[in-house]
Formats: sequence, structure tokens, C-alpha cells
Amino acid sequence: DSGVTQTPKHLITATGQRVTLRCSPRSGDLSVYWYQQSLDQGLQFLIHYYNGEERAKGNILERFSAQQFPDLHSELNLSSLELGDSALYFCASSANPRDRGNSPLHFGNGTRLTVT
Amino acid sequence: AQKITQTQPGMFVQEKEAVTLDCTYDTSDPSYGLFWYKQPSSGEMIFLIYQGSYDQQNATEGRYSLNFQKARKSANLVISASQLGDSAMYFCAMREGVYGGGSNYKLTFGKGTLLTVNP
Repeated sequence: DSGVTQTPKHLITATGQRVTLRCSPRSGDLSVYWYQQSLDQGLQFLIHYYNGEERAKGNILERFSAQQFPDLHSELNLSSLELGDSALYFCASSANPRDRGNSPLHFGNGTRLTVT
Repeated sequence: AQKITQTQPGMFVQEKEAVTLDCTYDTSDPSYGLFWYKQPSSGEMIFLIYQGSYDQQNATEGRYSLNFQKARKSANLVISASQLGDSAMYFCAMREGVYGGGSNYKLTFGKGTLLTVNP
């Protein structure tokens, strides 16, 4: 068990809809990362939050947004969903890399999103 | 350009034998870290081993070791005494600016290698 909790495990929704994925990082971790995993694109970095602040954006669509709350949990919001958004979405957390550059990312079990 | 290249889409190994999974990387940053993750069919991502660019020795963690060849920019994962439970997808990943005090420490992943351990 990585200590990172993601909910829900599975989500099935229709095109055009909006969903929210939730992530609770490991106790003490201030950094939260979101990744999308699909068969054709592999593991793609979406966004990084550190202690409530956005630190970096990757290949995140404008239809997607995220935030990290004061209690450090994070939510990824996906709107105007398309068939191509079907993927496994991972949240990961890490210790402060400024202190430990070798801090691995600890991944949650992912949310499997299916858009029909 | 691909920063992490895993050239073996699939590999087969007999139980109890050793196997090497290849990973090459591309970076101009002198301070970086390399990570290997395992993803079983159940889907979770499991951290296996880490190698820093300034580390003098190759990393080892139990049956996992990293064959780090800095000049060739390769960081191959060696699994000794393969077990059936080692069957999974394996990902190589890199973090740049490890010692530089930057603000984003994302990992960039390769496409992965699917390892199958045969009994």
C-alpha cells in the first residue's frame, strides 16, 4: 500500500459530461502529481501541485483543471469529456524533493475512466 | 524528442533466470535521477529502485539492480532469479534538476517493457 488514496476506482460516463477525481496524498507529502495513462500515449504528466500551489503543467488539456486544498488533498476535474479521454488517471505524491532529490513518486491505484 | 527510451516492448524469461530490461535516456542536465517502476496487471505503480547521476555505485535493492552507464546514458534494470510474480510492465523514468533546487520534480516515463516470466 503506497499510502496514496484515489477515488473512485472506476468511473463510467458519457461524452460531454464532467467528472471529478479525488486524491489524498501520503501523510506528510506536500507534492501531488497527476498522470494520465493510455495505451497510445503511455504515462503522461498532467500537473504538479506543491502545498496548494500549482508548480508545473504538462500535457493537460484546457478542459481539465486541478487544485490542491489546504488539507493537501487534490482534485482533478475533467469536463466536456470525449471518447479519447478514456484512460487510467493516477495521482502520485512525494516528499519534498528539495530535501531529497531521490524522492520517488508514490502512486495511488488510479481511477479508470471510461467515456462512452 | 523522447527523453526515455525503452526499446523492448516485450521480454520473456524463464523462472529463476536473470533478465535485463533496457533503458536509455537523454538529458543535458548534469543532475538527474533515474527510477524504475513495476506495474502488474492489477494496475498499481510500484517503485523499485533509484539511481542518481552523481551516485558512484550502481543501485541495488534485493533482487533488483541497476546497470548504470553514464557515458552511454543507459540505466538498465537487472532482475535476478526471476519469479512468476515478476510478470508485469516495467517503466523507466527520469527526473531532471535533482540537485538544482528547481520547483518541478515530475518524472518522465518511457513506454515500458512487458516482462513475462515462464514457469
